Amino acid sequence: GEDVEQSLFLSVREGDSSVINCTYTDSSSTYLYWYKQEPGAGLQLLTYIFSNMDMKQDQRLTVLLNKKDKHLSLRIADTQTGDSAIYFCALGVSGGYNKLIFGAGTRLAVHP
Amino acid sequence: GAGVSQSPSNKVTEKGKDVELRCDPISGHTALYWYRQSLGQGLEFLIYFQGNSAPDKSGLPSDRFSAERTGGSVSTLTIQRTQQEDSAVYLCASSLVPQGQAEKLFFGSGTQLSVL
Repeated sequence: GEDVEQSLFLSVREGDSSVINCTYTDSSSTYLYWYKQEPGAGLQLLTYIFSNMDMKQDQRLTVLLNKKDKHLSLRIADTQTGDSAIYFCALGVSGGYNKLIFGAGTRLAVHP
Repeated sequence: GAGVSQSPSNKVTEKGKDVELRCDPISGHTALYWYRQSLGQGLEFLIYFQGNSAPDKSGLPSDRFSAERTGGSVSTLTIQRTQQEDSAVYLCASSLVPQGQAEKLFFGSGTQLSVL
C-alpha cells in the first residue's frame, strides 16, 4: 500500500524559513495536501497541490512537488511562533472520494 | 453548527467495556470519515460514509469496531470489548465531495480514548 514518510521533528529560529519534507511511494494521487494540527485542535487544511504542478505559492507558503523523486515539501517563509504545530503530508487515494493517506507528521518548534 | 463536533472530547474506560464515539458533521456535508491517530503515528483511515452508506470500511481494525450514520448526518463509532491498543485519538472529518476538485476535509477536535 501507499507509504508516506516524514521526519518527526524540526526546530527553527523565528524569522527563518522552515522546510518540511515528505516522501511517498505511490504516484497515482491527483492531489497532495498539507494539514496543520495545533495543540488540542483538529487538523486544518493548509494548502494542496495538483499532481501536474511543480510548485504552488500561497502567501508565506510554498509547496514543491518532485514527481520523479516522489518528494513533496512545504516551505514556510518568515516562520513565526504561531506556526509551531504538527504538519501532516497527505495523499489522496484514487477511487472517487478523498481517502487520505497521512504521514506521521512533523512537529515544528519555533524558538526566538 | 459551524464546524465538525465530536463528543466526548475525552473518554476513559476499562478494558473490556464498550464505548460509543459521536460525530456531528458540518450541515450539508455528504461525506464523512473516521480516522485514528495514535501517538507518534500518522492518521489511520478507518471508514468512509457517503450519505448513510459506507462504501469503504476497509480500515476498521477488527470486528470489534463498527460505525453507522443516520439521516445523512450524525455518525457513531462503536468499539466493543475495548483493548489497551485501542487507546488513541479518534478523529472525524466531513466534506462536500466536489467533483474534480481538491476535496477539503474539515476535521473535528477528536475524542481522546484511554483504555485502562
